[in-house]
Amino acid sequence: AQSVTQLDSQVPVFEEAPVELRCNYSSSVSVYLFWYVQYPNQGLQLLLKYLSGSTLVKGINGFEAEFNKSQTSFHLRKPSVHISDTAEYFCAVSDYGGATNKLIFGTGTLLAVQP
Amino acid sequence: EPEVTQTPSHQVTQMGQEVILRCVPISNHLYFYWYRQILGQKVEFLVSFYNNEISEKSEIFDDQFSVERPDGSNFTLKIRSTKLEDSAMYFCASSGGGPSRNTIYFGEGSWLTVV
Repeated sequence: AQSVTQLDSQVPVFEEAPVELRCNYSSSVSVYLFWYVQYPNQGLQLLLKYLSGSTLVKGINGFEAEFNKSQTSFHLRKPSVHISDTAEYFCAVSDYGGATNKLIFGTGTLLAVQP
Repeated sequence: EPEVTQTPSHQVTQMGQEVILRCVPISNHLYFYWYRQILGQKVEFLVSFYNNEISEKSEIFDDQFSVERPDGSNFTLKIRSTKLEDSAMYFCASSGGGPSRNTIYFGEGSWLTVV
C-alpha cells in the first residue's frame, strides 16, 4: 500500500524568504508524484507533477520539486515566497501504470507567509 | 483553461435525507473521480469511474453511495441516507485518456453539511 508523509503541518515564513515543504512517500512500485495547492475556500489546483524524465520539475507560480528515488522524497521549493502563496499544499502519489491512477494524499502543509 | 465545475457549492441537509452532488468534468476527459475531505483531515479517494462503470472504490464508498453519468456530460454522486459523518467537502475530478490519465484536475468542491 502507498502512503504519503508530510511531516510539517504548518510552515511559517517571511515574505521573500525561501521555503521547502517536505514530502516523503512509501510504495512497493514505481510512482507518479504531484503537488496540489488549495487556496482558502477554493478547490485543489495542480501545482506540478513528476511522471518521468528529469527529476527536477517546475510548476506554476515559481515552484519546483525534485524527485529523489533513493530517499523516496519529493520536496517542494520556492526561492522567494509572496503573501499570495499562503495556502495549504498537498503532496500526492499514484501508481505507475495503475489501473485507476487514484491519488493518495498527504495530510497537507499550511504555508503561512508573513509580511 | 477548461475546468471541472461542481454544484452546489454548499448544501445543508438533514440526517437521513438523500443528497445528489453534481459535476461537469472537463470535456473529452475519460476518467472521473470523487474525493472527499473531512474538515481538518486529508483528501481521501472515494471512487473512480471509466467507460460507464466503477473502476475502483474505497472502503468509504459503501452501499449508501452511488455514482452515475446520466447524459454524457454530468457526473453525479448520490448519498442515499446521509449521516452526520458524511459532512465534508466533496471534490469531483477528471483526467484524460492515454498518458494524460495520470494528471487529475479537481473542481472547486461541494461543501456538504449534515445536521
